[in-house]
Amino acid sequence: GAVVSQHPSRVICKSGTSVKIECRSLDFQATTMFWYRQFPKQSLMLMATSNEGSKATYEQGVEKDKFLINHASLTLSTLTVTSAHPEDSSFYICSAVKRLAGSYEQYFGPGTRLTVT
Amino acid sequence: SQQGEEDPQALSIQEGENATMNCSYKTSINNLQWYRQNSGRGLVHLILIRSNEREKHSGRLRVTLDTSKKSSSLLITASRAADTASYFCATASNTGNQFYFGTGTSLTVIP
Repeated sequence: GAVVSQHPSRVICKSGTSVKIECRSLDFQATTMFWYRQFPKQSLMLMATSNEGSKATYEQGVEKDKFLINHASLTLSTLTVTSAHPEDSSFYICSAVKRLAGSYEQYFGPGTRLTVT
Repeated sequence: SQQGEEDPQALSIQEGENATMNCSYKTSINNLQWYRQNSGRGLVHLILIRSNEREKHSGRLRVTLDTSKKSSSLLITASRAADTASYFCATASNTGNQFYFGTGTSLTVIP
């Protein structure tokens, strides 16, 4: 298997502040990580693809200046929600891709619940 | 980023019954993975089936893959109340840098 951790699991912040969420692959190296956002009772919405050593690729409609992604090492990607507003409140989930011979497996972190007041 | 459709959207069964969920997708894949998500929690990886495999078992789970129909099914046998959750399928592209999620099936197992 593979383990992906996410920190923090829950954060409450005031409007206008920035919040950093960490995603770590604990027992494998991941050149590719993904950041998702999930609204209640909905499926995951891909926000961006994080590639180690290069700029993240953002999905259409996702503001790259608001959701800063850094993938500085093969085991860590961070998502910073800058100048957070109440509409940014959501469940953020990261995943890391484990590459095996001829196969790609995606493993998820436990998620971060962000509440902006 | 969703290319998958899952049906049914919601399923309610009695404990002990079997639950079957289906997933359809549109493009060629490297593999297909099934996940479970309990309310307000992260996704738990259940099982991966590769494009050259047709069936896979893990405990009470049975997954089939029909690449000609671009569909997969997840069967949970002898369901338990603890199986109540949302179930998602996700496909991995052959390049490994694109994963697409289905819309999910919400399963309720009534004790």
